[in-house]
Amino acid sequence: DTAVSQTPKYLVTQMGNDKSIKCEQNLGHDTMYWYKQDSKKFLKIMFSYNNKELIINETVPNRFSPKSPDKAHLNLHINSLELGDSAVYFCASSTPRDVSSYEQYFGPGTRLTVT
Amino acid sequence: GEDVEQSLFLSVREGDSSVINCTYTDSSSTYLYWYKQEPGAGLQLLTYIFSNMDMKQDQRLTVLLNKKDKHLSLRIADTQTGDSAIYFCAGVSWGKLQFGAGTQVVVTP
Repeated sequence: DTAVSQTPKYLVTQMGNDKSIKCEQNLGHDTMYWYKQDSKKFLKIMFSYNNKELIINETVPNRFSPKSPDKAHLNLHINSLELGDSAVYFCASSTPRDVSSYEQYFGPGTRLTVT
Repeated sequence: GEDVEQSLFLSVREGDSSVINCTYTDSSSTYLYWYKQEPGAGLQLLTYIFSNMDMKQDQRLTVLLNKKDKHLSLRIADTQTGDSAIYFCAGVSWGKLQFGAGTQVVVTP
């Protein structure tokens, strides 16, 4: 009955590898997001999809590629991993009640460690 | 983020009140939010306030908004050990939620 789920919860990998993180929401929301939280807990949006369409694409390296096969899923693929990619990645979803309402539901996070 | 600022740490004794402060630069956000992040977990929405309100009370939580000073605060009455977490304030800017850096609240017995 988890609202927003992510897999895996932990990911340890070596520099240069390619990895994916998956996210699913069963809330019927139209919009999904990827955030990166660094070691200082600073949270920054990376991407947002609305009904499978990319609507927010922040300045992130093009090694990061999101993919939304349907509006309940948003995956994040990372190529050629670097040490600086180590962080906790959060998926979130929302269904804005109006243009300015952004109540978001977060997944539990994926802790990525690049060695 | 640089548009939303918070103090980074707050230590409070169990049973006392906690006050977490936040200042923001973009006043166009219709709502302002407080999120809570417990250790090892994602963020969860705690409460929010509509921008034309000055105050909102929700059980032990009181949100105060001073639009003139662009200052938002969250007061937790009778703070409990379960309130130990990181608290993020957030507003909407350019269609995105902008989070503050988070305030770590540590509740001591």
